[in-house]
Amino acid sequence: DARVTQTPRDKVTEMGQEVTMRCQPILGHNTVFWYRQTMMQGLELLAYFRNRAPLDDSGMPKDRFSAEMPDATLATLKIQPSEPRDSAVYFCASGLVTSGEFDEQFFGPGTRLTVL
Amino acid sequence: SQQGEEDPQALSIQEGENATMNCSYKTSINNLQWYRQNSGRGLVHLILIRSNEREKHSGRLRVTLDTSKKSSSLLITASRAADTASYFCATPFRGGRRALTFGSGTRLQVQP
Repeated sequence: DARVTQTPRDKVTEMGQEVTMRCQPILGHNTVFWYRQTMMQGLELLAYFRNRAPLDDSGMPKDRFSAEMPDATLATLKIQPSEPRDSAVYFCASGLVTSGEFDEQFFGPGTRLTVL
Repeated sequence: SQQGEEDPQALSIQEGENATMNCSYKTSINNLQWYRQNSGRGLVHLILIRSNEREKHSGRLRVTLDTSKKSSSLLITASRAADTASYFCATPFRGGRRALTFGSGTRLQVQP
């Protein structure tokens, strides 16, 4: 049963610390998305990759957030330094984009981040 | 900013009743998707409707799309307690670049 995995599931850290969240997309999927969910803002797109290349990261605060795909099986989202306003649930999703077709996204379970 | 807005924000019904959720969006789209999120979990894709379709069915789900009114509805028939979740509509991010913009969601509570 293929699924997106994310680690850690929960992270509590102090303001100023670096946070790294990891995602393993479904094998064979060529697109990876990072979303953030808060009560106030709902679900927001942070960044997404196609074939490991970043396509759009305009939703990310560039001064502190960075997203990478070191290889096809790993996507990372880093926050440095973290701030209390970064507290949220961060979701990774993957999908297989084929020319001319619309695509469903498969979501991971999320990383619940709390910055004190 | 969110493209879609769901209505109502919260809905409580009895098991066996039908649940209807509505979604309005702002810009032209080529497809609209509905997702479900159980508490503390990731989102699960339910159904996709293309802009040239007016209605689509999947099991107990019925989705309609009215592009002239920029609105969609999700109907769950004969609801079950297991349908308790938040439901989100999603539309293409910035005119169809494969990423999605999600609405604010409808929290559905089905009482057993």
